[in-house]
Amino acid sequence: QKEVEQNSGPLSVPEGAIASLNCTYSDRGSQSFFWYRQYSGKSPELIMFIYSNGDKEDGRFTAQLNKASQYVSLLIRDSQPSDSATYLCAVRGSAGNNRKLIWGLGTSLAVNP
Amino acid sequence: EPEVTQTPSHQVTQMGQEVILRCVPISNHLYFYWYRQILGQKVEFLVSFYNNEISEKSEIFDDQFSVERPDGSNFTLKIRSTKLEDSAMYFCASSGQGTSTEAFFGQGTRLTVV
Repeated sequence: QKEVEQNSGPLSVPEGAIASLNCTYSDRGSQSFFWYRQYSGKSPELIMFIYSNGDKEDGRFTAQLNKASQYVSLLIRDSQPSDSATYLCAVRGSAGNNRKLIWGLGTSLAVNP
Repeated sequence: EPEVTQTPSHQVTQMGQEVILRCVPISNHLYFYWYRQILGQKVEFLVSFYNNEISEKSEIFDDQFSVERPDGSNFTLKIRSTKLEDSAMYFCASSGQGTSTEAFFGQGTRLTVV
């Protein structure tokens, strides 16, 4: 069973701090990795994707991937109260033309003013 | 900005009834998906659709479920005889070509089976 694991939190950070969200996955052949943000009762909203080892930066967000450790993380710099949400890690599998996403349960982030 | 749209936003149905959830994917996308999320649980893959046929389905997607692309724009999910445990948020998503192309989600349909 291919799994994606996240610490459910809640993770609480003060406004302006760096929030660090982590995710591990079991399928070593996974190709692509995605971070989605989900507000309560809403649909997942794509924040970033990464598929090469290393860091990828987009504004206040940085995704980090380490395939050897099967680990992907998301850093949010200068956290804002509006960043308070659940952050979902999703992994695209390795088998053939498999395009389905396998999801973690999500980490709840609270940014305190 | 192009977006995936879903209707209805909320559907209440009696157990045993058939429901059809509708989606309009982003127009130049080629891959379409249905996912569901039971309250407090993980998002779960149901089915993917490409080139007018199912490309993959999960164990959840049993004979009670079916998908169709009845015309050039709509993508539907039908549940033939709903059960209480089908109550969930159902999300439609679409993506373009390529191996790492991200999926964009509609706003979801909240299905409540009573």
